[in-house]
This record gives sequence, structure tokens and C-alpha cells, in this order.
Amino acid sequence: EPEVTQTPSHQVTQMGQEVILRCVPISNHLYFYWYRQILGQKVEFLVSFYNNEISEKSEIFDDQFSVERPDGSNFTLKIRSTKLEDSAMYFCASSEWTGASPLHFGNGTRLTVT
Amino acid sequence: GNSVTQMEGPVTLSEEAFLTINCTYTATGYPSLFWYVQYPGEGLQLLLKATKADDKGSNKGFEATYRKETTSFHLEKGSVQVSDSAVYFCAPNSGGSNYKLTFGKGTLLTVNP
Repeated sequence: EPEVTQTPSHQVTQMGQEVILRCVPISNHLYFYWYRQILGQKVEFLVSFYNNEISEKSEIFDDQFSVERPDGSNFTLKIRSTKLEDSAMYFCASSEWTGASPLHFGNGTRLTVT
Repeated sequence: GNSVTQMEGPVTLSEEAFLTINCTYTATGYPSLFWYVQYPGEGLQLLLKATKADDKGSNKGFEATYRKETTSFHLEKGSVQVSDSAVYFCAPNSGGSNYKLTFGKGTLLTVNP
């Protein structure tokens, strides 16, 4: 079965540094998402992306965050200047074009900001 | 926007016990409803879904029925196993140009042998 793949599985960075989290969504999917889960807390929506543009973003997704689909297969989340509170598990997801289609999640990237 | 109220955990059961995890939601429009499961140390996996009123989603012995009149989607299993120990998330989606999910806080289920 096709999968969403995320790399790296664990990223450690120093406060203030830029990080790029990478995702390869399922190839025929049209909608792409980033969610995050701070340890012990709920899964929070960050951003959705469709037709090469952001379709919705949450309050968390401020100017330090950006997303890009640089080619036909990758979907990236960039955090420009990381803060300690950005430490979390970041999940990429993708879905087909219908409302009944479930989101398929990757296994996540654990980001640790020191 | 959508919101989800999910039964507070943790829930601890003995093997073969009956499980119910309550979920109610508020949503604009007519969402599809999903239960996701997160096993220890892993990502989110789709457990089951329902797309219209009175639909019953089922998988691995779990069931949930889309109740539009009560805006509920309670998860049930007749006989839980130790391997069902995980965090369970109820999640309606939104429509329009964006089918994002809104997650509940999650319910931690621990099944003891």
C-alpha cells in the first residue's frame, strides 16, 4: 500500500537555526497537510496545501513557517528560526480530492530544539 | 470551525472487556467522520470512517456509527485485546477546498491481560 514518507525521523537543532522537514506524499493525492503534536498534547493542524498554494493555515503557522512543493513529489515544511517551543513531532499527511478520503499520515519527524 | 469533544482518558480495561469511547463534534456542513489510532511510538493510522448519516464504519472489531441527530461518532469494540492499547482520536473533516481534520484530545486506552 502506498505510504507517506517523512525524513528525517529525528532532527536536533539549536535555537535560532533553520530546519526543513521533508515529506513525500502519496503520488496521486492532491491535498497536503502538516500537523504537529507537542509531547503529551493533542494533534494540532498547521497548514493545508492544494493546487500549489496554502488553502488554510492555523494561528500557529506564523511567519517563521513556510511550505513548499518544490517538485512533483516532495512537500516541505521550513521553520526559519526555531524556538524551544517548536520542539514537537511533525506529521505530514496527504489525501485525495474527495471529502470522504481519509488523511494518510507519515510516521512523523521528531524535532528537538535545544 | 469544527470542534471535537472526546471522552477523557485514560481508560484502563481488562482483556475481553467492552469498550466505548464517546465522541461528539460540531461542524459546519456535512463532514466525514474518522477515528485514528496512535500506537506507542508510532504515527497516526486510520482506524475507520463514515461518510454520511447512519453509516457504520468498522475495522479490526471496532465500530462507530455516524449519528447526525446527536452529532456523535462513538467508538465501540466488543472484546478488547492487549494489542489495542493505544491513543484513539476522533476527527471530523471539513470540506470546501480543504479537507483538514480536527482532532480531539485523544483517549489513552490501556488493556491489561
